[in-house]
Amino acid sequence: DAGVTQSPTHLIKTRGQQVTLRCSPKSGHDTVSWYQQALGQGPQFIFQYYEEEERQRGNFPDRFSGHQFPNYSSELNVNALLLGDSALYLCASSEEREIRETQYFGPGTRLLVL
Amino acid sequence: AQTVTQSQPEMSVQEAETVTLSCTYDTSESDYYLFWYKQPPSRQMILVIRQEAYKQQNATENRFSVNFQKAAKSFSLKISDSQLGDAAMYFCAHPDSNYQLIWGAGTKLIIKP
Repeated sequence: DAGVTQSPTHLIKTRGQQVTLRCSPKSGHDTVSWYQQALGQGPQFIFQYYEEEERQRGNFPDRFSGHQFPNYSSELNVNALLLGDSALYLCASSEEREIRETQYFGPGTRLLVL
Repeated sequence: AQTVTQSQPEMSVQEAETVTLSCTYDTSESDYYLFWYKQPPSRQMILVIRQEAYKQQNATENRFSVNFQKAAKSFSLKISDSQLGDAAMYFCAHPDSNYQLIWGAGTKLIIKP
């Protein structure tokens, strides 16, 4: 049983560009959450998707958008990249009915903006 | 706003000894979960242990146990018989009412051989 997978593992972009990160949830999971983790800090919640809709959103600008597909996989898009967007982006999945109890994390995508 | 505080940026322990990592949190809820996650250099966030607030018994997973003090809103992690593979960043986390995980700043655990 594959766990949460994310692609790519690493990415280098320049300021102003756009990026798309991908996440496949653990088998049987229907909810996907995205977190941004700056170097040396704890993760910050970006948003959460359930039933193909954004259900919750953290304090992130509209440059951050996402999507969830019918197979529950998800994408995170960031437009007009800034240097401050350099971070580890973590995807977490869960079953909606168990979301309070645990979230399983993928290995993350390391984004570097130059 | 709900918060999670880890006051120890770094801790070190001799291999085979015991170490305790501290965490305090703030919530207005009565029924909730608390988590300790481990993040090794490989970056994967791994669930170490979780505690259900309505359970008075402290959770235990092999060498890992917690000291949960609900009234004090304290949730510390004890690692017994420390091993080199325990070296990592440890994060305390708590889901808010919208099930977003609120995280502490982390504690870097160093294991001395």
